[in-house]
Amino acid sequence: DTGVSQNPRHKITKRGQNVTFRCDPISEHNRLYWYRQTLGQGPEFLTYFQNEAQLEKSRLLSDRFSAERPKGSFSTLEIQRTEQGDSAMYLCASSLFPGQSLVDTQYFGPGTRLTVL
Amino acid sequence: RKEVEQDPGPFNVPEGATVAFNCTYSNSASQSFFWYRQDCRKEPKLLMSVYSSGNEDGRFTAQLNRASQYISLLIRDSKLSDSATYLCVVTIVGEAGTALIFGKGTTLSVSS
Repeated sequence: DTGVSQNPRHKITKRGQNVTFRCDPISEHNRLYWYRQTLGQGPEFLTYFQNEAQLEKSRLLSDRFSAERPKGSFSTLEIQRTEQGDSAMYLCASSLFPGQSLVDTQYFGPGTRLTVL
Repeated sequence: RKEVEQDPGPFNVPEGATVAFNCTYSNSASQSFFWYRQDCRKEPKLLMSVYSSGNEDGRFTAQLNRASQYISLLIRDSKLSDSATYLCVVTIVGEAGTALIFGKGTTLSVSS
């Protein structure tokens, strides 16, 4: 499977614990995005990388959240001191831009569902 | 006002029906437009890009009206497999880089 992969698919943790998620983008995609989705809502942008550089972070991304993409390939998203409000689906997407078109078409991974008890 | 607004539905239609979804966006600087489809507890998948000239892909037709900041999706001859949530998406170059801005989605249920 050459699509975007994410691990783990599910994570249950207790409030106050730290969690880390991994995203492997489509090979050779230079852009990688993190989104969060809660029930009944569309995905909300968190942050994105172009190669290894983190170019933008949303106001949604509190100080407890950190993301890295050290070699410009896979990325990790860490949440420290988790809170119940962090329970959501965390989605990763990747794209090749500019590619054959000027449209930044993003392809999503299956997501990591986080439940904070 | 939300950046991207959609009628949440649900739209309940019989097989074979034609159904139309509407979406409005607030930022006139929006550059690219998409419809994504999301099945329950699955990731969003790109359905089609939307262009000012309109575009068609089989039973699906998408239209963009930049002047009215309005996007539509028409599904003809609905199939059971079309049941899903349809997300209207725009990109805005600005504070959030080129991130996708999603609407809440419109839920479609096609019944036999």
